[in-house]
Amino acid sequence: GAVVSQHPSRVICKSGTSVKIECRSLDFQATTMFWYRQFPKQSLMLMATSNEGSKATYEQGVEKDKFLINHASLTLSTLTVTSAHPEDSSFYICSAPGFNGNTIYFGEGSWLTVV
Amino acid sequence: DAKTTQPPSMDCAEGRAANLPCNHSTISGNEYVYWYRQIHSQGPQYIIHGLKNNETNEMASLIITEDRKSSTLILPHATLRDTAVYYCIVRPSTTSGTYKYIFGTGTRLKVLA
Repeated sequence: GAVVSQHPSRVICKSGTSVKIECRSLDFQATTMFWYRQFPKQSLMLMATSNEGSKATYEQGVEKDKFLINHASLTLSTLTVTSAHPEDSSFYICSAPGFNGNTIYFGEGSWLTVV
Repeated sequence: DAKTTQPPSMDCAEGRAANLPCNHSTISGNEYVYWYRQIHSQGPQYIIHGLKNNETNEMASLIITEDRKSSTLILPHATLRDTAVYYCIVRPSTTSGTYKYIFGTGTRLKVLA
């Protein structure tokens, strides 16, 4: 079964609004989680590293004010896409290190469509 | 940047072995080779990983060359459900698990009936 869960799996929002995607580690604690985005027929692109109790670390070129990341507990990280635009439409995926810290597990992904 | 290169696509007949190569010529001594696959519209699924010895589990086998500059993922009896994009990733070993995965372009495997 899934060890990392994302919600919602699909969301449609209007341009200019904000949308939140949740990533939960199931039955284990994750002090670090990773957020990726993926456009159709392309590979996963790392956006940021979410750190429990401290600020997220963003990859170069990723706007921190647009993609707000909050890691408020040891089992939950959230990604909020603010002032969404159609070009933000994408597949967003989170991941977390597993029980032994050596294998990273991925969530099921969240499809965002901005209309 | 990803430290791996893979062929963009491969076909394999159903029931035959699928051998997916990966080059990682700049791999460091403490870096593991991980394989994941992504079926359409899903998150990546862990398959296998190894350091220098060959590894086998219920899903696949991983063959790593002696110089560790390349590896091959083997699906012994491919089925239609194995059609997916397969990613080879290298990352340092750490018990903290804080190292991030950088994905390359992967290999799109198509299993043919």
